[in-house]
Amino acid sequence: DAKTTQPNSMESNEEEPVHLPCNHSTISGTDYIHWYRQLPSQGPEYVIHGLTSNVNNRMASLAIAEDRKSSTLILHRATLRDAAVYYCILRVLLNYGGSQGNLIFGKGTKLSVKP
Amino acid sequence: EAQVTQNPRYLITVTGKKLTVTCSQNMNHEYMSWYRQDPGLGLRQIYYSMNVEVTDKGDVPEGYKVSRKEKRNFPLILESPSPNQTSLYFCASSPLKAGGRNQPQHFGDGTRLSIL
Repeated sequence: DAKTTQPNSMESNEEEPVHLPCNHSTISGTDYIHWYRQLPSQGPEYVIHGLTSNVNNRMASLAIAEDRKSSTLILHRATLRDAAVYYCILRVLLNYGGSQGNLIFGKGTKLSVKP
Repeated sequence: EAQVTQNPRYLITVTGKKLTVTCSQNMNHEYMSWYRQDPGLGLRQIYYSMNVEVTDKGDVPEGYKVSRKEKRNFPLILESPSPNQTSLYFCASSPLKAGGRNQPQHFGDGTRLSIL
């Protein structure tokens, strides 16, 4: 799977927007961009994913660069509960069989939220 | 409630004593997977299964076995545990849909194993 690069850590103030960047310069045309987060003492939790267009859901927004070599996860108003490690993952287009369904986790970005 | 359930949540045991960590999901998912998480190394995949009786190795399968006899269960077996298998383990599941659509994975709450 293609590699992603994220900052090791970021800080934010509560109730302010947070932009978490991810570089994936070797992305292929069919790779989806997935974001998961892991809160302390919990398993990873799906946040959002996209292919080319920007995506919004109740948790966050995903902005994808036009060349798809980078993306940004946007938390519109950070809360203390958003403090977690955020993982940006490239996942190939899923087919039956083979290993294309797997998530390959990198080190992620540890987000701290200050009150 | 849709969930992935792992048992036990915590286990301290000794080298060489066979153990099984169970994983069960109630979402009728075809795909299931095991990961281990270690400080500085992040989450690494051990084994995965695309459906009943279909399993394959992940990145770190040595010392582990799995089986998928039923769709809902995917146990992780350590036949002869060693201290380097002390870790935090996560099970995950997701549906597989024809046409190549990606589906989010649902994770359990983790099992912390300590092998002395």
